Amino acid sequence: EDKVVQSPLSLVVHEGDTVTLNCSYEVTNFRSLLWYKQEKKAPTFLFMLTSSGIEKKSGRLSSILDKKELFSILNITATQTGDSAVYLCAANFGNEKLTFGTGTRLTIIP
Amino acid sequence: DAGVIQSPRHEVTEMGQEVTLRCKPISGHNSLFWYRQTMMRGLELLIYFNNNVPIDDSGMPEDRFSAKMPNASFSTLKIQPSEPRDSAVYFCASSYDRGRSTEAFFGQGTRLTVV
Repeated sequence: EDKVVQSPLSLVVHEGDTVTLNCSYEVTNFRSLLWYKQEKKAPTFLFMLTSSGIEKKSGRLSSILDKKELFSILNITATQTGDSAVYLCAANFGNEKLTFGTGTRLTIIP
Repeated sequence: DAGVIQSPRHEVTEMGQEVTLRCKPISGHNSLFWYRQTMMRGLELLIYFNNNVPIDDSGMPEDRFSAKMPNASFSTLKIQPSEPRDSAVYFCASSYDRGRSTEAFFGQGTRLTVV
């Protein structure tokens, strides 16, 4: 069965800290891995990764995929209170269906 | 584009009643997904459509749940009869399948409470 596992389940850090969120997957026919940020409402898209070793960046956020070891990380540097959210990892397994992990709840303390 | 539009935003109903959730995907998108989110189970895919055809409904919990997509711009998820354990946030998402992976865009969700 295809599975996506995220860690840690929750994380509390101080503003300005750097955090690393983890996502591992077990899969057949892997196609891509996606990161979403969910605040109070709908998940919003952050990154899509299809190739190993190529870092995607957007401001203070970056992400990379390792297809050999079947994991991805999401880094956030110089965290701000607005980064507080649930971060969801999802994998696309060869069709349009996305399988989501349970998410990492990130809390930034001012 | 207004994005994926769901209605209603909130629904409170009594056990046993029929509930219908509605979704309008982004214009031009050809894949549509219904997800359910709870604290215990996270985001679960219920069903997805491609070009208005149901492709995978293995996530639909039981026969009380049904989904339709009569055309490219409208889908419904129906629960009949509803039960308290159906209380959750139901999200609709859409994407454009070009034969390679692409991101899905989510609606704002319908928060369903069954009492």
